[in-house]
Parts: sequence; structure tokens; C-alpha cells
Amino acid sequence: DAKTTQPTSMDCAEGRAANLPCNHSTISGNEYVYWYRQIHSQGPQYIIHGLKNNETNEMASLIITEDRKSSTLILPHATLRDTAVYYCIVRVGPGNTGKLIFGQGTTLQVKP
Amino acid sequence: GAVVSQHPSRVICKSGTSVKIECRSLDFQATTMFWYRQFPKQSLMLMATSNEGSKATYEQGVEKDKFLINHASLTLSTLTVTSAHPEDSSFYICSAEGRGVPYEQYFGPGTRLTVT
Repeated sequence: DAKTTQPTSMDCAEGRAANLPCNHSTISGNEYVYWYRQIHSQGPQYIIHGLKNNETNEMASLIITEDRKSSTLILPHATLRDTAVYYCIVRVGPGNTGKLIFGQGTTLQVKP
Repeated sequence: GAVVSQHPSRVICKSGTSVKIECRSLDFQATTMFWYRQFPKQSLMLMATSNEGSKATYEQGVEKDKFLINHASLTLSTLTVTSAHPEDSSFYICSAEGRGVPYEQYFGPGTRLTVT
């Protein structure tokens, strides 16, 4: 079973920041938080991952709480092309290798 | 970035026949490949994990004799659905991780299987 819980759906206005929350209260000390997204009928796309520090790349920022029990993915300026299902995944296995167990994800609808 | 391809992208087959799906890592050596299945409006379900040169590890409830996985080289894994039935119709997606790439899994575009 997935070790994360996410809201089923969210809306965001185009050009605004999209903040997607994720709870992972049973995360272990050596488990990473990964975010992927899936646009309809395509394979998932890697977004970002982190262990305990906040991370930023060209796509998004990842904010992890100090107790590591939850995190937030931030898309700073959402566009219509960001409409997708976003999956927050805790990676099982030592270090940062191992299988990904997908939950139901959050369907983000970016509206004009 | 690292690229994973799948072939075919779509396939239609008759009930009782077998279908082979290929997954290739195009610009890196995939030491581990994963196979997922996704039914409409559902999330991805991990079917099996394969390491190059060794037998695949199947998730609980996945029939190893029905879903044959071969990972014969560092760039190719195949999934064969044997004696396919309409309930096997699904979206099959592979992913890969390996040498020379960051520690993420890279996903293929998926294969839509329809069994008539």
C-alpha cells in the first residue's frame, strides 16, 4: 500500500502558484519523498525528490516539514500544461533506490 | 534527460494469443527495470521488478506464468502477456533506473493493450 495521502483534486488559476500537499506520517529516516506527475495517457514524469532539506529545480520546489511527516510541492507559476495527476511517493528501499508505490494522487486542474 | 521507449505504443490482439511489449533505455544502462499496469481512472500498480541477468521479482497477486518478464541486457526488458484475455486489457508502463543517471526512475510512454 502507498504510504502517502493526498487530496483527490485541486484547482489552480493559470499563472498562480499551485501548492500540492502530501502526508507521509510513517516515513522512515532513510526514505525519500518523490514527486511524479502523469499527463493523460502518458508515462509518469519525474518532478523532484528530497530527504529532509527543501529542494528546488527548474520545474518545482519541494518543502518538507522538519518532522518529515508531510511535504508540499510548489509549482510557482502554473500553466495549462501543468494539468495532470500528481503523485507523492515515499520510496521504499535503502538509500534512494527501490520500487515506487503509487497512491491515487492529486488531480490538478489549471484553469484559465 | 534519460529516455525510455516502449514498443508498440498500441496493440490489439485476439483472446488466447500472446503479446510481447518491449522497453528500452536509449541513453543509459538500466540495471533495474520495473513494469506497471494501469486500468482506466486508476493509479499505477507495480507488477514486477527485474534486474539485468536475473529473474524478475513479482508483486503479490501477479501471475508470473502469465506475465513473463525478461531483462536480457542492460538496455532491454520485455513483458509477454501469455494467453491474453479481455481482462488483461490495460495500459502497461515500464520504468528504468541505472548507471550514469541520477537516482530517479524514468518512465516509458506506455503501451495500450486491447484484447478482443
